[in-house]
Amino acid sequence: KQEVTQIPAALSVPEGENLVLNCSFTDSAIYNLQWFRQDPGKGLTSLLLIQSSQREQTSGRLNASLDKSSGRSTLYIAASQPGDSATYLCAVHNTDKLIFGTGTRLQVFP
Amino acid sequence: NAGVTQTPKFQVLKTGQSMTLQCAQDMNHNSMYWYRQDPGMGLRLIYYSASEGTTDKGEVPNGYNVSRLNKREFSLRLESAAPSQTSVYFCASSWYRQQETQYFGPGTRLLVL
Repeated sequence: KQEVTQIPAALSVPEGENLVLNCSFTDSAIYNLQWFRQDPGKGLTSLLLIQSSQREQTSGRLNASLDKSSGRSTLYIAASQPGDSATYLCAVHNTDKLIFGTGTRLQVFP
Repeated sequence: NAGVTQTPKFQVLKTGQSMTLQCAQDMNHNSMYWYRQDPGMGLRLIYYSASEGTTDKGEVPNGYNVSRLNKREFSLRLESAAPSQTSVYFCASSWYRQQETQYFGPGTRLLVL
């Protein structure tokens, strides 16, 4: 059974820092992996989707990497800003479903 | 272009009452999904509809029913609400398959007393 883990559960950093969020999964037979952002009381916003054949994807200050063999993905956020404060969720696409991690709650303080 | 919309935003029910959560998307997507989000559990798939006219069970379907009314609309019904169904419910859609980018609605917060 696929399990997705995100560590740490919470992270607090000063503005301007570069940071890395981690996601690990137990079954490497995935179609792709998706990173989402969730603001308090809101829905999920898709940030990046990495196909299983890809190693990384970039969007602005965000860079996501995927290492299927080790069952890991990282989300790198460059030059963090207070507006980046949110919960970040990773999810892996298995054959017929999307399996979510429980998220990392990020706070960026001025 | 509103994306994925959900109604109501918030609902309080008593145990045993029924209700229907509504979801609509205006992106011409074929596939639609219902998830629930609980603290410490992450999001879990309740039901999905790969295309108009089809529905399939997800990870936690017990106590729920769904209807894919047309290509745009996908409703979730609780026939007899239980306190264990207190949760935040999200609807999502994608072009065709679960393996593609999913777009989420703002959620419905449900409290069952």
